[in-house]
Amino acid sequence: DVKVTQSSRYLVKRTGEKVFLECVQDMDHENMFWYRQDPGLGLRLIYFSYDVKMKEKGDIPEGYSVSREKKERFSLILESASTNQTSMYLCASSHPRGQGGQTQYFGPGTRLLVL
Amino acid sequence: QKEVEQDPGPLSVPEGAIVSLNCTYSNSAFQYFMWYRQYSRKGPELLMYTYSSGNKEDGRFTAQVDKSSKYISLFIRDSQPSDSATYLCAMNTGAQKLVFGQGTRLTINP
Repeated sequence: DVKVTQSSRYLVKRTGEKVFLECVQDMDHENMFWYRQDPGLGLRLIYFSYDVKMKEKGDIPEGYSVSREKKERFSLILESASTNQTSMYLCASSHPRGQGGQTQYFGPGTRLLVL
Repeated sequence: QKEVEQDPGPLSVPEGAIVSLNCTYSNSAFQYFMWYRQYSRKGPELLMYTYSSGNKEDGRFTAQVDKSSKYISLFIRDSQPSDSATYLCAMNTGAQKLVFGQGTRLTINP
């Protein structure tokens, strides 16, 4: 079974802090994704990566950056956290030649509260 | 107009009922269609995927795709309280990114 893990389930940070969210997958997937999920807005793609050291902006990249130094690990960075970044953050991974149009497998999510 | 439209509900049905969840889409290039289930405060888990048109069955779950109408459905037979969750449809052309519906919140009442 694909396993995607995220470093924290819950985080509380202060406005202006730098925040690191880490994601690790154990299935040797090339593709990794970061989403945020908010009530009424659904899942929104922040950044994704096709390979080590590669990244592409998603639909809402402003205020975020990412790092992918190893294939299994994809980090999301909030350079200076703001209250409007309070959200559920979800990491996902997929294989570029996987079944089902590259179905994505999700981690458990990190609930971030910025005060 | 969103690429994928999904009624957010909430939808509440009695235990044992047949549930029908639906999504419509506008991009005729979509080829792969998925359904995810998400329990409260958890990440989405893949339920089923189908390619192109047709039906796919897995236990009490049936996924249906009608590409001519740009309409997909998920049917749950003999619904159980443990089926209470948010159900998200997702689709893509075969490229890496998925387009998600907003999700339908479903409650099965004992």
